[in-house]
Parts: sequence; structure tokens; C-alpha cells
Amino acid sequence: AQKVTQAQTEISVVEKEDVTLDCVYETRDTTYYLFWYKQPPSGELVFLIRRNSFDEQNEISGRYSWNFQKSTSSFNFTITASQVVDSAVYFCALSSNTGKLIFGQGTTLQVKP
Amino acid sequence: DTGVSQDPRHKITKRGQNVTFRCDPISEHNRLYWYRQTLGQGPEFLTYFQNEAQLEKSRLLSDRFSAERPKGSFSTLEIQRTEQGDSAMYLCASSRLTGSESQYFGPGTRLTVL
Repeated sequence: AQKVTQAQTEISVVEKEDVTLDCVYETRDTTYYLFWYKQPPSGELVFLIRRNSFDEQNEISGRYSWNFQKSTSSFNFTITASQVVDSAVYFCALSSNTGKLIFGQGTTLQVKP
Repeated sequence: DTGVSQDPRHKITKRGQNVTFRCDPISEHNRLYWYRQTLGQGPEFLTYFQNEAQLEKSRLLSDRFSAERPKGSFSTLEIQRTEQGDSAMYLCASSRLTGSESQYFGPGTRLTVL
């Protein structure tokens, strides 16, 4: 069975601090895809990144970076120099070829000014 | 380029009533997904369509739930004889054909069953 675990329920940081959101997944598939979504207070899920199981290269996009390690089944997300606008719930998700997303429980990030 | 739209955004109904939600996907997307999200939880998969064919349904989708995508464009999700446990956010997402493609979500329909 597929499973995604986000052990951090809530994280609170002060603006400009770096913060890492953890994601651990379980799957028996050899081909799978990992995602991060952001859900701000408005409620709409915003796509951030997709990674396939054959691409372990880390990725950086502005203040966001992602660390994918198959050896530890982890796909962690780091925000550098956090801002108040980063406050949201962040979800890690896993899918196989059907595209059905299996979400973690989410991590609520609060960035204080 | 318009995103995924859902209607209504909010629905309050009394227990036992039927409700129907609509989702309009991004126009070139063949796949359409429905999820349900309760407070403090991640979204849970309900069902998905590839064009007009419904390819998978979750065990969460009881007999009171039915979804359609009549011409492979918009989709409807109907809940019959609503129960208080049906109160949740119902999310629709769409993607291109293959399972590897990213899903883009609509704003959701928040259902409250009194």
C-alpha cells in the first residue's frame, strides 16, 4: 500500500528563518511521482513541484528547494529566508501511473513577522 | 488560460437532502479527479475519469455518491440523502492524460450538512 507521512503537524518560525518540511513515503512501485502542494488560508491547493522516481536531482526554485533521497524514501522541502506569505498548510503527495494522489496529513507552517 | 472551476463554492443543506456539485476542468485536460478533505486532514481520493470513462472509485464513495462526466468535459458529483458526516471540502482536479502529469486543483466546494 502507498503511504505518505508528514510527521511535523505544525511549525512556527520567525520571518527570515530557514525551515524544512519533512516527507517520508512508502510504495512498492518502481515508478512513482512525488509532489508538494501549498494550501493557503483561502483553501485552494497550489501545485509547487513534481518529481519522478528516476530523478533524484535536487531542485531549487527561488527560495524553495527540494531534497529527494530514495535511500531514505524522503522528499523534503526547504524554504529559505521564510516570509509571512509562506504561512500555509503544505502537503506532500505520492502517485503511481493512475495519477491518484495519496496525500500526507499536512504540515501547518506559521511564519511570524 | 483558465484554471479549474467549481460550483457552488459553498453549500449548506439539511440532512437527508440531495446535493450536486459541478467541476469544469482545464480545457485540454483529459483526466478529472474528485477528492474530499475534512478539517485538519489531507485530501482523500474519491474517483477519477479519463475523458468520459470513470476508471476508479474509492471505497469512500458509498452508494449515496455518484459522479459523471457526460461528454468528457465538466463533471458532476451528487450526494443523495446527505448525512452530517458528509460535511467536508470537495475538491476537483484535472491533468493531462498520463498519470505522471501534475494535477491542478479548483477552489473546492465546502459542504455543510445540518
